[in-house]
Amino acid sequence: KQEVTQIPAALSVPEGENLVLNCSFTDSAIYNLQWFRQDPGKGLTSLLLIQSSQREQTSGRLNASLDKSSGRSTLYIAASQPGDSATYLCAVKSTGNQFYFGTGTSLTVIP
Amino acid sequence: GAVVSQHPSRVICKSGTSVKIECRSLDFQATTMFWYRQFPKQSLMLMATSNEGSKATYEQGVEKDKFLINHASLTLSTLTVTSAHPEDSSFYICSARVWTREETQYFGPGTRLLVL
Repeated sequence: KQEVTQIPAALSVPEGENLVLNCSFTDSAIYNLQWFRQDPGKGLTSLLLIQSSQREQTSGRLNASLDKSSGRSTLYIAASQPGDSATYLCAVKSTGNQFYFGTGTSLTVIP
Repeated sequence: GAVVSQHPSRVICKSGTSVKIECRSLDFQATTMFWYRQFPKQSLMLMATSNEGSKATYEQGVEKDKFLINHASLTLSTLTVTSAHPEDSSFYICSARVWTREETQYFGPGTRLLVL
């Protein structure tokens, strides 16, 4: 069974700092990997989707990389802002229907 | 992008009652929708896969008689928590699958259920 781990569980940084969130998964036979943002008590907002054949995706200040062979993905956030404060979830889709979610990284950007 | 809505956004009910949660795809049709549950400080766990016009597929450990799923149309799936108990209090999120050039899932905003 696929297991997804996110490190760190929580992160607090001053505004303007660049930061990296980590995601690792145990089974490299994945279909795609997706990073989501979840605000307290809210649903999920998709940030970036990386197909298994891709190595990275970029959107604005966000860059996500995927190293399928080592079972790792990183989400890089440049020039962090207080509005970036949220929980970031990594989800891996294996060859079945199911998304396997990590437990998330809770990010706080201090003004 | 595609929009998925859920209703209600939050519900409080007494123990023993049943609660229905709706998941709608607003501007697209979805033959497959998924229901997830998220307990506090934990990640989302898939409960069941809902297929339009057929029976839902439940994940191991999820009671199909307690969590009734109906996917009667291409834009609506419902999850009914029957005889709810306090331990069913959770955040329930649905997603709808779309096939364009590739598969994408769009997530609803979630429903917060509190059973007293």
